[in-house]
Amino acid sequence: GENVEQHPSTLSVQEGDSAVIKCTYSDSASNYFPWYKQELGKRPQLIIDIRSNVGEKKDQRIAVTLNKTAKHFSLHITETQPEDSAVYFCAALAGGTSYGKLTFGQGTILTVHP
Amino acid sequence: GAGVSQSPSNKVTEKGKDVELRCDPISGHTALYWYRQSLGQGLEFLIYFQGNSAPDKSGLPSDRFSAERTGGSVSTLTIQRTQQEDSAVYLCASSLARSGGQFFGPGTRLTVL
Repeated sequence: GENVEQHPSTLSVQEGDSAVIKCTYSDSASNYFPWYKQELGKRPQLIIDIRSNVGEKKDQRIAVTLNKTAKHFSLHITETQPEDSAVYFCAALAGGTSYGKLTFGQGTILTVHP
Repeated sequence: GAGVSQSPSNKVTEKGKDVELRCDPISGHTALYWYRQSLGQGLEFLIYFQGNSAPDKSGLPSDRFSAERTGGSVSTLTIQRTQQEDSAVYLCASSLARSGGQFFGPGTRLTVL
């Protein structure tokens, strides 16, 4: 089945700096890669996603890049703000017989210091 | 419109009792998913439904766990003979289709004493 590895597990930055979180996946049939933000005690919220037919997608301060050949994708947050502090999860949508199943990375705790 | 709703928000039960958790997806969403999240951990896939059928039950931890969905809408996750290790937040999500973004409910925090 699909395996998703996420790094780093914790990331601490100063307000205004950029933050990058990286994920790798194992199933070459995976074709959809969402990112979720989870604040303490709250539900995961979808913040951006990318499909395998594009290499990059941007939404204001957030961008995601995908390298299908290397089977890795990354989340980039620019001009970080304290309210960006949360746990971020990447995920990959399985293909083949497991189509529809999302496999999540282990999460990255992002702390933005004012 | 309303988002995904789950009930109860909190459930405390004694070891050995059965519990039922309910999920009401976003109207029109055909796919529904159940996950489990232990304190400070990631999201563990349990089961998903496309319509009323469950193509993938591979994540259910044991035969004490079962789920059903009727009418292509509401789903219930049942845990029989609960154990302390079942304590976690149970999250439900729904999406328009299997290939789409999933939107999560607030979760049910289950505590087994």
